Amino acid sequence: EPEVTQTPSHQVTQMGQEVILRCVPISNHLYFYWYRQILGQKVEFLVSFYNNEISEKSEIFDDQFSVERPDGSNFTLKIRSTKLEDSAMYFCASNPAFYGYTFGSGTRLTVV
Amino acid sequence: DQQVKQNSPSLSVQEGRISILNCDYTNSMFDYFLWYKKYPAEGPTFLISISSIKDKNEDGRFTVFLNKSAKHLSLHIVPSQPGDSAVYFCAASADGAGNMLTFGGGTRLMVKP
Repeated sequence: EPEVTQTPSHQVTQMGQEVILRCVPISNHLYFYWYRQILGQKVEFLVSFYNNEISEKSEIFDDQFSVERPDGSNFTLKIRSTKLEDSAMYFCASNPAFYGYTFGSGTRLTVV
Repeated sequence: DQQVKQNSPSLSVQEGRISILNCDYTNSMFDYFLWYKKYPAEGPTFLISISSIKDKNEDGRFTVFLNKSAKHLSLHIVPSQPGDSAVYFCAASADGAGNMLTFGGGTRLMVKP
């Protein structure tokens, strides 16, 4: 069964450093998403991406965050200057049309 | 922000019995609802969904019921199996396309053999 692949599975970074989380969505999917889950809290929407541009973003997705689809396969989330509170599990997801996303296994980001 | 709420953080059920997971919402603009299952160290896995124009959707052992007037939905698993033990999240969308999901806090289901 097709999968959404995320790398790395765990990333540790110093506060203030830039970090890039990588995702390979399912190849024929058109919609791409990033969600995050801070330990013990809800899964929260960050951003959706369609047709090479952001279609929706949440309040969390401020100027420190950016997304890119640099080639036909990768979908990246960049955090420019990480803060301690950015520590969370980050999930990438994709779907071919509406609803019923396929999520990746997540990247655990630890900011120290 | 408590637009989607799962009031039971955990639920324990005997194998073979029914599991009922509940979810309440406050935003009357939500028009599509989904249930996801999550195992440790994995991403959420889509289980079943329901549009606001329906009150029931069934897929094998899983049935979702929607009560719009009460702003309440529930997921029924019959019969429950030990492999169903996981965290279950309900999620809702108001944008007509599922571009942005609002998740509940999750309910940990434990199915005992």
